[in-house]
Amino acid sequence: AQSVTQLDSQVPVFEEAPVELRCNYSSSVSVYLFWYVQYPNQGLQLLLKYLSGSTLVKGINGFEAEFNKSQTSFHLRKPSVHISDTAEYFCAVRLRDNTDKLIFGTGTRLQVFP
Amino acid sequence: SAVISQKPSRDICQRGTSLTIQCQVDSQVTMMFWYRQQPGQSLTLIATANQGSEATYESGFVIDKFPISRPNLTFSTLTVSNMSPEDSSIYLCSVVIGDWGHQPQHFGDGTRLSIL
Repeated sequence: AQSVTQLDSQVPVFEEAPVELRCNYSSSVSVYLFWYVQYPNQGLQLLLKYLSGSTLVKGINGFEAEFNKSQTSFHLRKPSVHISDTAEYFCAVRLRDNTDKLIFGTGTRLQVFP
Repeated sequence: SAVISQKPSRDICQRGTSLTIQCQVDSQVTMMFWYRQQPGQSLTLIATANQGSEATYESGFVIDKFPISRPNLTFSTLTVSNMSPEDSSIYLCSVVIGDWGHQPQHFGDGTRLSIL
């Protein structure tokens, strides 16, 4: 069965420090990969996506992610976080089969402290 | 990207009642979906809203409980019927614009529903 695992439910970090949010997936078919961010009392906003091509993907707000096929990972990184990055981050995969389903991880709460 | 408007943004309802949530998009979309996000949890797909025909429901969700309409390419409704406290969640509309095979899903701001 397909699944998405976000290993850290919470990540506390000080402002201007680097951060990595981890995401691993399991799938018997090839996938597209996404990271979404959810700010308090808002919906989900697309941060970045990997469909094909370069395995290093750059997104909005200074975030980037690297697709590692051998390790089935798609970790999200930012070299220097801001207080405004405090939010819930969701990794998601879309199966490239006849279902085209989007499967979400359980989310990682990033808390940035001054 | 498109502007996705959901109404209401939040509501508090009595158990046993029903609430209809609207999702309006400012451009024609290829696909529309409805998700549920229970407190402190991730998103679960309820159904795919199909234009002019019955929605396609995921396992664990049924039409009698969550009737969905999609009369055109830009509008859909989700009704949460005969509500109980377990239905307290955020309900989110999601759309794909353009080539479904190469475009991501975009989400509305959600409807925060509490049942007393």
